[in-house]
Amino acid sequence: DAKTTQPNSMESNEEEPVHLPCNHSTISGTDYIHWYRQLPSQGPEYVIHGLTSNVNNRMASLAIAEDRKSSTLILHRATLRDAAVYYCILRPRETSGSRLTFGEGTQLTVNP
Amino acid sequence: DVKVTQSSRYLVKRTGEKVFLECVQDMDHENMFWYRQDPGLGLRLIYFSYDVKMKEKGDIPEGYSVSREKKERFSLILESASTNQTSMYLCASSFSLKGAILSNQPQHFGDGTRLSIL
Repeated sequence: DAKTTQPNSMESNEEEPVHLPCNHSTISGTDYIHWYRQLPSQGPEYVIHGLTSNVNNRMASLAIAEDRKSSTLILHRATLRDAAVYYCILRPRETSGSRLTFGEGTQLTVNP
Repeated sequence: DVKVTQSSRYLVKRTGEKVFLECVQDMDHENMFWYRQDPGLGLRLIYFSYDVKMKEKGDIPEGYSVSREKKERFSLILESASTNQTSMYLCASSFSLKGAILSNQPQHFGDGTRLSIL
């Protein structure tokens, strides 16, 4: 499976935007880019996903590079509740139940 | 909002015991999953089920079995608990639409069961 690379940790201030990078240089043409996050003592939570175009939802925005070898998760105004581990993963297009495989992710710290 | 409920947040059992972890989802999802999460190893799939009474092995099924008698409930069974099964266990569910790209369906997780085997 294609692999992703994320920084181990990042820090932000409350109410400022946060850009979380992810490299996936071996992505295949049919891989979708998904982001999940995991708050302390909770299960993972789906954030957003995309294929080629940038995507927005109520939680975040996903900016995908033109060559698709990298992407950035954007939190427009960080809150203390956004402090979590963020996972960038690639999911191949398939039509049967599929596993999620998380690496170590990026630990985001939000300072008040 | 989707709710996935795991029966226990914390559980302590002894080596050799048969352990049952229960998971219930309230969104009529077809797919259900059991993962374990360990530091340095990330998330690993144990078993999943795409329909009642159907199950598929994941990446690390040894020492585990599952049961899905009703659509909303997926149980993980440790047949004879061992210390290397001490872990955080996470249940998830997702929607399934025939012909749809299932890799686009988000998985919704419970809050996990932290299981310690002594």
